[in-house]
Amino acid sequence: LAKTTQPISMDSYEGQEVNITCSHNNIATNDYITWYQQFPSQGPRFIIQGYKTKVTNEVASLFIPADRKSSTLSLPRVSLSDTAVYYCLVGDAGPGGYNKLIFGAGTRLAVHP
Amino acid sequence: KAGVTQTPRYLIKTRGQQVTLSCSPISGHRSVSWYQQTPGQGLQFLFEYFSETQRNKGNFPGRFSGRQFSNSRSEMNVSTLELGDSALYLCASSLAGYQETQYFGPGTRLLVL
Repeated sequence: LAKTTQPISMDSYEGQEVNITCSHNNIATNDYITWYQQFPSQGPRFIIQGYKTKVTNEVASLFIPADRKSSTLSLPRVSLSDTAVYYCLVGDAGPGGYNKLIFGAGTRLAVHP
Repeated sequence: KAGVTQTPRYLIKTRGQQVTLSCSPISGHRSVSWYQQTPGQGLQFLFEYFSETQRNKGNFPGRFSGRQFSNSRSEMNVSTLELGDSALYLCASSLAGYQETQYFGPGTRLLVL
C-alpha cells in the first residue's frame, strides 16, 4: 500500500506562499496524487490532483518531480481562511481497480494575521 | 448540482444500541465510500459500494456494515455500539470510484454514551 509522509504542522502569515511537501516513496505506476483540505467538523474538500509534472487550478498548484516519489502543494498568497488540515493521498487502486483512499495524519496549517 | 448529503447530522446513542446513517451521493455518482474520523485514529476507510455491491472493505469489525440501493444512496449500520464508535462518519461519492475525485459530505457526528 502506498503510504504518505507529510509535516505534522506548518505556520504562515497572510499573503505568503505556502508549500507543503509530501513523500510517497512506494507510489505505483497507476497511482494519482490528490490533495484535500479539511476544516473542523466538515468533510474533506478536494483541492487538486495530478499524475506528473505540474498541475494548476484556481486555488493551488501541484508540483510532481519525474520520479513521482514526492509532491508539493503550493498555496499562493494564503489568507486566514486557509487555516485547515491538508491531506496528501496517493490513489490506491488495488486489484480490480477498487477505490480506497488512505489518509495520513495530514498537515495542520495555521495562517496568522 | 447538489453535493453529497448525509443524515442525520448529529446523533446521540447509548452503548449496545444500533444506528443507521444515510448518504445520498451526487447525482450520477455510482461509487459511495464511508470513512470514520476520530481524533486518535484520524480518517479511516470503512468500505466502498458500487452498483449495490461492496467492492472494498477496511479493517473494521463486522459490527460495521453497509448497503447501497439502486439509486446509489447508501446506508451504514453499526450494531452493538461501543464508546469508541463515537466519531465523525463521512461518506464520499465519485462517478465510478477508480482513481477519480471523491466528494465528501458534511458527515454525521455520532456520540455514544
